[in-house]
Amino acid sequence: GENVEQHPSTLSVQEGDSAVIKCTYSDSASNYFPWYKQELGKGPQLIIDIRSNVGEKKDQRIAVTLNKTAKHFSLHITETQPEDSAVYFCAADQGGSEKLVFGKGTKLTVNP
Amino acid sequence: DSGVTQTPKHLITATGQRVTLRCSPRSGDLSVYWYQQSLDQGLQFLIQYYNGEERAKGNILERFSAQQFPDLHSELNLSSLELGDSALYFCASSPLTFGTGKNIQYFGAGTRLSVL
Repeated sequence: GENVEQHPSTLSVQEGDSAVIKCTYSDSASNYFPWYKQELGKGPQLIIDIRSNVGEKKDQRIAVTLNKTAKHFSLHITETQPEDSAVYFCAADQGGSEKLVFGKGTKLTVNP
Repeated sequence: DSGVTQTPKHLITATGQRVTLRCSPRSGDLSVYWYQQSLDQGLQFLIQYYNGEERAKGNILERFSAQQFPDLHSELNLSSLELGDSALYFCASSPLTFGTGKNIQYFGAGTRLSVL
């Protein structure tokens, strides 16, 4: 089955710096790669996603890149702000199915 | 607000007991997913229902069961509870996306279960 590895597990940056979180997946049939943000006491919230026929997608300060050959995808947050502090999860669909397999999460702390 | 409602928010119970967690999906969403989130395991997929039928199973214990009702709300039943079942339980729902290759899941705020 699909296995998703996420790094780093914790990340601390200064406000205004960029943050990069990386994930690798094992199932070459995976087609859909969402990223979720989870704030304390809340459920995960979709922030951006990408499909396998696209190499990069951007939404304001957030971007995701996908390398299907290498089976890895990354989340880039530019000009970080304290409100970006949260746990971020990457995920991949298993074999192109509706089931999502999640990475173990990255706790991002943005210091003012 | 994702539109997915989970009740209760918190549940405290004792070992050996049985509890029921409830989820109301977003209006129009036919698929419901249940996840368990613990500190060391991250988000673990338990089970998926689509329009009342079980569609996929993950790492769900035999002591756990779920169902989706005609009004599309879902319940997760946890029985013979053990200390290790203490976790956050999330429900997510998604619209019909067959063949689009894009399964957007919207999560509720979760139920925090504490087994003492």
